[in-house]
Amino acid sequence: DAGVTQSPTHLIKTRGQQVTLRCSPKSGHDTVSWYQQALGQGPQFIFQYYEEEERQRGNFPDRFSGHQFPNYSSELNVNALLLGDSALYLCASWLAGVTDTQYFGPGTRLTVL
Amino acid sequence: AQKVTQAQTEISVVEKEDVTLDCVYETRDTTYYLFWYKQPPSGELVFLIRRNSFDEQNEISGRYSWNFQKSTSSFNFTITASQVVDSAVYFCALMRWRDDKIIFGKGTRLHILP
Repeated sequence: DAGVTQSPTHLIKTRGQQVTLRCSPKSGHDTVSWYQQALGQGPQFIFQYYEEEERQRGNFPDRFSGHQFPNYSSELNVNALLLGDSALYLCASWLAGVTDTQYFGPGTRLTVL
Repeated sequence: AQKVTQAQTEISVVEKEDVTLDCVYETRDTTYYLFWYKQPPSGELVFLIRRNSFDEQNEISGRYSWNFQKSTSSFNFTITASQVVDSAVYFCALMRWRDDKIIFGKGTRLHILP
C-alpha cells in the first residue's frame, strides 16, 4: 500500500520563476492538503482540495494556486517566486468523511535563489 | 483563535532516560482533535496519535504515552527509556472538527545522546 508520494524531492529556482509541485495521495484517499514548512517552524496550511475544488485556504497570497485531478492527485503552483518561498512543501491526504487523520508525504524542498 | 504552544524548543537527554514533551493548546471549540507527529531528518511527518476532545483517556503505545488534560488544555507526550532512534522534531497539532486544517506548534527538537 503506497503512502503519499511527492515529486520532485528537491528543486532549485530563481526569484521570479514559477514552480509546480506534485502529490499523489495514499491509496483510497480523496482529499489533499498542502502545507509550507519554513526552516525551524511548524507546517503552515496553504489549501485543501476535494472533488477537484479548493475547499479551504490558509493565509497565502494568490501566487499560490493548486489543482486536483480526477485520480485525486494534486499540484501546487507558485508564481513569481520570492526568496521567502524557500521551504519544505508537504502534502497530506485522507478520506473525507471517514477519517480525520492526515497522512503526510516526504515533502519537496524548494530553494529560491 | 486556535493556537498550539510547544514551549520546549530543544531537549537533550541521555539514552534510556524518560523524556516528556509539553504541548498546550488554545481553542474555543468544544469538538476538536489533537495530534502528535514525528519528523525525522528525512523530513516526512510521521503520524503518532490522534485524540478527540471527548476522549481524555490516557494512551500508551509501547514506549510512548500521552496525557490529555482538558482542564489545563495540555496534551503531553512521554517517551520512556528513550533510544537514539527517537531523535527527531516532534510536533503537537490541533484541528477543529470538520475543519480539516491542522494548526501545528513550532515543534520540539529532541536529541537522544548515546
